[in-house]
Amino acid sequence: DVVMTQSPLFLPVTLGQTASISCRSSQSFVHSDGNTYLGWFQQRPGQSPRRLIYRVSNRDSGVPERFSGSGSGTAFTLKISRVQAEDVGVYYCMQGTKWPWTFGQGTKVEIK
Amino acid sequence: EVQLVESGGELVRPGGSLRLSCAASGFKFTDYWMAWVRQAPGKGLEWVATMNGDGSEKYYVDSVKGRFTISRDNARKSVFLQMDSLRVEDTSIYFCTRLVEHSVNYWGQGTRVTVSS
Repeated sequence: DVVMTQSPLFLPVTLGQTASISCRSSQSFVHSDGNTYLGWFQQRPGQSPRRLIYRVSNRDSGVPERFSGSGSGTAFTLKISRVQAEDVGVYYCMQGTKWPWTFGQGTKVEIK
Repeated sequence: EVQLVESGGELVRPGGSLRLSCAASGFKFTDYWMAWVRQAPGKGLEWVATMNGDGSEKYYVDSVKGRFTISRDNARKSVFLQMDSLRVEDTSIYFCTRLVEHSVNYWGQGTRVTVSS
């Protein structure tokens, strides 16, 4: 299985500052169609997850531009600029190329 | 509006069975792969099972192979998860999800399964 490792697991952030979450995979997962299916999800307390980013760097509809994804190969990053109170929650990366699809352990973002 | 509504979660004894249901609406059901993802109490997300639009392709995580079966009824716009030989470690919230671009773009609210004696 492709193991997804996130860091840090806990991220206290000051309002208005930038948060950066790393996601590293145990192997490359480029699909035969040439795409890298890496997504990022946000799970606010008590809610279902929602997708923020798909295919490494594409923002979902309605997701603020403060959220951006980047990376390639086995190293990926989610950046949250100008962190707001509503950004508190757990963030997961997920690879959707090789079965079984796998999630990172999650990074808990809190406000300092 | 896309809606996924799960049902069927409850308390069950180890070794028992349970069938989860997910009613979908707001989109052309047959066009989409569907999946179940679970989350143990206080833990992260785990892929469980997925299937394509006509049910001809199914994939399972190793820990549930031979015990869980994913299926769908396209006429009723529903997807199911038959769970047999349940174990304590299957205790989780089970989310019904819709897949697009090799990823989940819609999640249900989840249904809670507790396996305990």
